[in-house]
Amino acid sequence: QKEVEQNSGPLSVPEGAIASLNCTYSDRVSQSFFWYRQYSGKSPELIMSIYSNGDKEDGRFTAQLNKASQYVSLLIRDSQPSDSATYLCAADILTGGGNKLTFGTGTQLKVEL
Amino acid sequence: DAGITQSPRHKVTETGTPVTLRCHQTENHRYMYWYRQDPGHGLRLIHYSYGVKDTDKGEVSDGYSVSRSKTEDFLLTLESATSSQTSVYFCAISADRHTDTQYFGPGTRLTVL
Repeated sequence: QKEVEQNSGPLSVPEGAIASLNCTYSDRVSQSFFWYRQYSGKSPELIMSIYSNGDKEDGRFTAQLNKASQYVSLLIRDSQPSDSATYLCAADILTGGGNKLTFGTGTQLKVEL
Repeated sequence: DAGITQSPRHKVTETGTPVTLRCHQTENHRYMYWYRQDPGHGLRLIHYSYGVKDTDKGEVSDGYSVSRSKTEDFLLTLESATSSQTSVYFCAISADRHTDTQYFGPGTRLTVL
């Protein structure tokens, strides 16, 4: 089992719809979770961080964390073509060398006109 | 890119040659990281630094070495490049702990022929 898992997609949604991106992680003691957006040929940029159970909203983005289920999601409301990108989930995972930020392989989102 | 530069941005080299990639930050952050990103594998940590002259290995450190003689500079060296090291390399920085938000540089695309 991978430590941070995401569906690779592509996830296709029509413009104006809600896009739901999901991520599961393996470490029950993980405390920090991040969502990054990466456009093709560019570097990852932070969208949201979340540390507590529940929802965290920032503009059109909502991160949801459920530690009991080891599940974190990102909702994008009113999806725009400019949201088309790969979304990376990351979690701090306890390894032999201590906690490390571990990334999923990303979900490709396509917002269609 | 949060005051992070990488050089070179693109490099083509031959198998067996040494290669050094440079990461420079102007944020005075303590932590610096080197990742590689490959299709199907996502971002994987190569090495990281938690202070001047303090470094440690990540999950894919074989064939790579690093050095940090100043807070602002973190060098990644491929002692003898191999074709399997063809990848996109990202530097990242964070202020406090491994699990605090990491900010990424623009990346270096390395091709080993």
